[in-house]
Amino acid sequence: AQSVTQLGSHVSVSEGALVLLRCNYSSSVPPYLFWYVQYPNQGLQLLLKYTSAATLVKGINGFEAEFKKSETSFHLTKPSAHMSDAAEYFCAVSLQTGANNLFFGTGTRLTVIP
Amino acid sequence: EADIYQTPRYLVIGTGKKITLECSQTMGHDKMYWYQQDPGMELHLIHYSYGVNSTEKGDLSSESTVSRIRTEHFPLTLESARPSHTSQYLCASSPMGFFYGYTFGSGTRLTVV
Repeated sequence: AQSVTQLGSHVSVSEGALVLLRCNYSSSVPPYLFWYVQYPNQGLQLLLKYTSAATLVKGINGFEAEFKKSETSFHLTKPSAHMSDAAEYFCAVSLQTGANNLFFGTGTRLTVIP
Repeated sequence: EADIYQTPRYLVIGTGKKITLECSQTMGHDKMYWYQQDPGMELHLIHYSYGVNSTEKGDLSSESTVSRIRTEHFPLTLESARPSHTSQYLCASSPMGFFYGYTFGSGTRLTVV
């Protein structure tokens, strides 16, 4: 079975501090991995994606994520948090088999403290 | 810039009314999806389509129905709205293939009173 686990439904960081949002996946086949951001009363916006090229993926708004096969992880990071980063973040996995759909995690709400 | 449009953005409607939530995309994507999301909660897939005249139910049981008569259009209909249908509904689309992400619309926030 395939799944995505996001550790921590709520994360708070101070403005200027490191942002680390955790995502672990389970898959028996090579996955494609995505991070989405959702601002209040909006749809989801793609931040970045891993598609089996470079393991360190850079996305929009200064975010990046590293695919670590040995740890089955795809954690999202940003060196310095900005107030505008406050949002809900979703990790998702797509598998090279089966229903050809994305499977989303339960989301992590990021709060940035001034 | 290609995009996906949902209307209305907000809808407040009485119990028992029939409603249709509109979703259209200009990217020529074959795959389209409807998700239901309660405030601050995870996404639940309720319907998807792989192309014209193709519709499937998702993981979450829903009393809504969908149709796909044109590639660009994927409306969702509730024949008789109830307060339990109050939620945010997100439409998304993607090309065929495992390595594409989804493009989401801005959502419709439905309140049934």
